[in-house]
Amino acid sequence: GAGVSQTPSNKVTEKGKYVELRCDPISGHTALYWYRQSLGQGPEFLIYFQGTGAADDSGLPNDRFFAVRPEGSVSTLKIQRTERGDSAVYLCATATGSAGELFFGEGSRLTVL
Amino acid sequence: QKEVEQDPGPLSVPEGAIVSLNCTYSNSAFQYFMWYRQYSRKGPELLMYTYSSGNKEDGRFTAQVDKSSKYISLFIRDSQPSDSATYLCAMSGYDKVIFGPGTSLSVIP
Repeated sequence: GAGVSQTPSNKVTEKGKYVELRCDPISGHTALYWYRQSLGQGPEFLIYFQGTGAADDSGLPNDRFFAVRPEGSVSTLKIQRTERGDSAVYLCATATGSAGELFFGEGSRLTVL
Repeated sequence: QKEVEQDPGPLSVPEGAIVSLNCTYSNSAFQYFMWYRQYSRKGPELLMYTYSSGNKEDGRFTAQVDKSSKYISLFIRDSQPSDSATYLCAMSGYDKVIFGPGTSLSVIP
């Protein structure tokens, strides 16, 4: 596709459940970022991939959060044992290289009841 | 202290006004400076991208970087109602991109 695609666009789940959020990057973009954005706040860095490997995962809040990018293209953010505080919009962005222009998807809005 | 601080707003200005948006940062390793615009329920989109200190102009938008003061600004001339959005400053060294908290701008016709 022409842009970054994120699915699902909305996800409502119950506390304690497992959630997967998917990001399809722009073709050829080697860098992929995950951010979390709460209402009225800027995007909070979670993890950054360069190719298949996580170049920096220092923003992941705890070990319930994990992300993969096995073939250097599609990425999945996985959240175990969801908590109400995990409710936010999860944004994926890709770029041709590090520190460059980021192209964002529309986000996956997660609500944990 | 957060790595990137931004004037919180919200800002409300009349159409045609000049708008000034500002950010400060603490990490002297930052080399690239960006401004993103985010409309409600959309992902951010890049407005301006600069490297090093100085000014960069693009139409009604001017980005200013002062690395010695660790201070960046975005100026919007002849503001339009379509400029109503949240403006996010962002910066990076050679890896992850860090965003400020954003300033909400409303341009009133």
